[in-house]
Amino acid sequence: QSALTQPASVSGSPGQSITISCTGTDSDLGSYNLLSWYQHHPGKAPKVLIYEDSKRPSGVSNRFSGSKSGYTASLTISGLQPEDEGDYYCCSYAGSNSFIFGGGTKLTV
Amino acid sequence: EVQLVESGGGVVQPGGSLRLSCAASGFNFSNYAMSWVRQAPGKGLEWVSALSGSGLGTYYADSVRGRFTISRDNSKNTLFLQMNSLRADDTALYYCAKIDVVVVVPAKGLHFDYWGQGTLVTVSS
Repeated sequence: QSALTQPASVSGSPGQSITISCTGTDSDLGSYNLLSWYQHHPGKAPKVLIYEDSKRPSGVSNRFSGSKSGYTASLTISGLQPEDEGDYYCCSYAGSNSFIFGGGTKLTV
Repeated sequence: EVQLVESGGGVVQPGGSLRLSCAASGFNFSNYAMSWVRQAPGKGLEWVSALSGSGLGTYYADSVRGRFTISRDNSKNTLFLQMNSLRADDTALYYCAKIDVVVVVPAKGLHFDYWGQGTLVTVSS
């Protein structure tokens, strides 16, 4: 099974908003509302930002929001801050007790 | 505070074996499924394996099925990954991750809510 499709990189200026897309198939995004987003700074533990397509864990800034339509999910970061720079991954339940990640998107602020 | 600390990584020759451990604290370990996720150098995250809170349900990515075995000791709050027949493409940083449900089924809460910082496995001759 191929990885979910994400853009390799996105960039934005402080204060701006950016959106990262994540495209899957009817085997994953199209069948389950179990898409999550993770922020990963090199050398650190990944951190969940969004789960179940659009839910935000307690403690995660409301600058991060998620949505999904059909086979494409999106992560929007508003009011970009320098510390948002890093790698972002989407992940979906893919059936048969398995998970699939996106290829990752490098955000430059 | 939830903490996940991986250990056991190192350099191993192709065909060799290695056993990773993940010491968990700050939550009721047996009430949650756990998983291993890896990141090869310069690559993205790849799901490797998961198991239920009881340890009875075990699941693997196609790339490791038959070579890796996931297990847990709930009395010691520890997750394991036994890796056999290692190949060069198994070289990666291996992360332990907590899943916010007890069984790996498509239900509310199924996501990785806490991660460790990883342990590096290098397969090279």
